[in-house]
Amino acid sequence: DAGVTQSPTHLIKTRGQQVTLRCSPISGHKSVSWYQQVLGQGPQFIFQYYEKEERGRGNFPDRFSARQFPNYSSELNVNALLLGDSALYLCASSWDRADGYTFGSGTRLTVV
Amino acid sequence: KQEVTQIPAALSVPEGENLVLNCSFTDSAIYNLQWFRQDPGKGLTSLLLIQSSQREQTSGRLNASLDKSSGRSTLYIAASQPGDSATYLCAVRSASGGSYIPTFGRGTSLIVHP
Repeated sequence: DAGVTQSPTHLIKTRGQQVTLRCSPISGHKSVSWYQQVLGQGPQFIFQYYEKEERGRGNFPDRFSARQFPNYSSELNVNALLLGDSALYLCASSWDRADGYTFGSGTRLTVV
Repeated sequence: KQEVTQIPAALSVPEGENLVLNCSFTDSAIYNLQWFRQDPGKGLTSLLLIQSSQREQTSGRLNASLDKSSGRSTLYIAASQPGDSATYLCAVRSASGGSYIPTFGRGTSLIVHP
């Protein structure tokens, strides 16, 4: 079975631009969560979706948004990019909201 | 609000040593706790998941224990190898509030040299 897949793997954007990151969960997993990780720190929670509904939102500005599709895949959108948005963005899927996570390999976003 | 602390922040040891990595949390009302490994620039790989009703979990050379009353979990690595070099993170999923959103520690960076 395929694991959690994220695309793209690397991305370079200019300040002010918009970006969309994609995540496909493990087959059968209904919950997808997004995390931001900057160098030297633990992952910071951005969003959790379960059964296509937002079930949690971290302390991130409204420039960050996400959605989950009927096939349980998910997109994370970031508008008006800032240099400080440069980070590794991680997607995790789980059977339900309380189950253990399986992470994807991440998308490395660089904002210049 | 749940706070998770990992000690030590960094560790450098010779091959063959037995290691203990610590994870402490402030709210003992947890649902489960998960240990991960992260190689530089990569995603997180799950090592062990301990439910709140369990005291420990084992996988190969790894053993994780959980003591909810003292707010602590320990990851024990036996006979360390250079391939164990990575950052180890713990994530605590609280039962309070019904959100089940895990809180991560900042990790322990481990180097095992030959």
